[in-house]
Formats: sequence, structure tokens, C-alpha cells
Amino acid sequence: QQPVQSPQAVILREGEDAVINCSSSKALYSVHWYRQKHGEAPVFLMILLKGGEQKGHEKISASFNEKKQQSSLYLTASQLSYSGTYFCGTAPGPDKLIFGTGTRLQVFP
Amino acid sequence: DTGVSQDPRHKITKRGQNVTFRCDPISEHNRLYWYRQTLGQGPEFLTYFQNEAQLEKSRLLSDRFSAERPKGSFSTLEIQRTEQGDSAMYLCASSSRGYNYGYTFGSGTRLTVV
Repeated sequence: QQPVQSPQAVILREGEDAVINCSSSKALYSVHWYRQKHGEAPVFLMILLKGGEQKGHEKISASFNEKKQQSSLYLTASQLSYSGTYFCGTAPGPDKLIFGTGTRLQVFP
Repeated sequence: DTGVSQDPRHKITKRGQNVTFRCDPISEHNRLYWYRQTLGQGPEFLTYFQNEAQLEKSRLLSDRFSAERPKGSFSTLEIQRTEQGDSAMYLCASSSRGYNYGYTFGSGTRLTVV
């Protein structure tokens, strides 16, 4: 039931782009994306709702393919502050989130 | 908006002891969630409340774990007869609508069972 994320880790130089994928085996109401820096709590980035509505971050975009139960997070022109572990959270129903396996992103100067 | 507060930040306890953690959500949020996170893993769902009602508890959670949210305000998570496998970061989050809105997480309580 836990969504699977890929890749597990990404290393970038500042200014490069990255895509993080999240795949679920269940039909989804929504997909959330969070970033967690070492020793800190996860921070909400974005939510994608069934039907196409999207709420979230100005500099980060995402897509949600409802039929395939997949979502992708797009990080463009990455900054040092983007470093951290990214988790997708999937909602198969209108209650709790199930978090994915995580993708560790490191951005170097 | 003061965010989600958790207390204590760190707890070291001996195996077999009981521990209790507290979470104060954002005041206007009616949903409150408890998650557990171990190193290198995503947060694992434990239980959640809508107002004072506990709506779901993970089937993976043993009977040693109990949570309350009296009057729909703060919440407590108690672990009885702690075991070394309980060592983890315990995260609390709140939201105003559930799946339609993002969660705001607290800084967590790190539990170490020795």
C-alpha cells in the first residue's frame, strides 16, 4: 500500500532540473508532496487533487495522472535550499496520508 | 498561527516504562494525526482524530499504544511498557480539512528506549 518513489537519490548542481516520481497501487483522491531537511519536520509543498486542482508552491510544479495513480514533482533551476528528502503522501480515501519511500536530493554549488 | 507544538522534544526511557507525548495543533485545525518515523523511512501512520473522535488506528499498532484528544484540542500519545523497537521520531500533524489541505507537522518527539 505504501507508494513507491523513484529515484531513491538525486545529486544535482545548482541550476539543474530534477523529476521525482511517485506511484501507488490504489486509486487516489489526492497526492501531497513534502520536503524534509535533516533533523526537521516535513514541510508541505504541494497538493494535487483528483479532477486537476492543484495547490502549493510557486517554484515547484507537479503532475497527477489519476488513471495510472502516479504523480511527478518537477524541480527546475534547483537551488541549494532544495536539498532534503522529498516524500509523496497519497490519499486513497478522504482520511489519512500514506507516505512514500522518499527521495533524497542533494544540490551542490 | 503558532504552528504545531510537540512536547517533549526528546525522551530517553528505560525498557518497560510508560511514556506520554503531547501535541498542540494549530487552533483552527480540526484534524490531528500521529505518525512515527524511523531513520531513512517515510512517516508511518499511527492514528488520527477529527475533533475529539478517533477515527482510525493503524492495524500495525499494538495495544500498548493509545491516543486521546479531549475536547478536540491538544492530543496525547501514550506508549505503555516501552520496547527498544519503539525508538523513533513521533510526529504530530494537523490540517483543516483532511485530504484536501496540506498537513502542518510539529518538530516531533524523539524517543530512545534503552
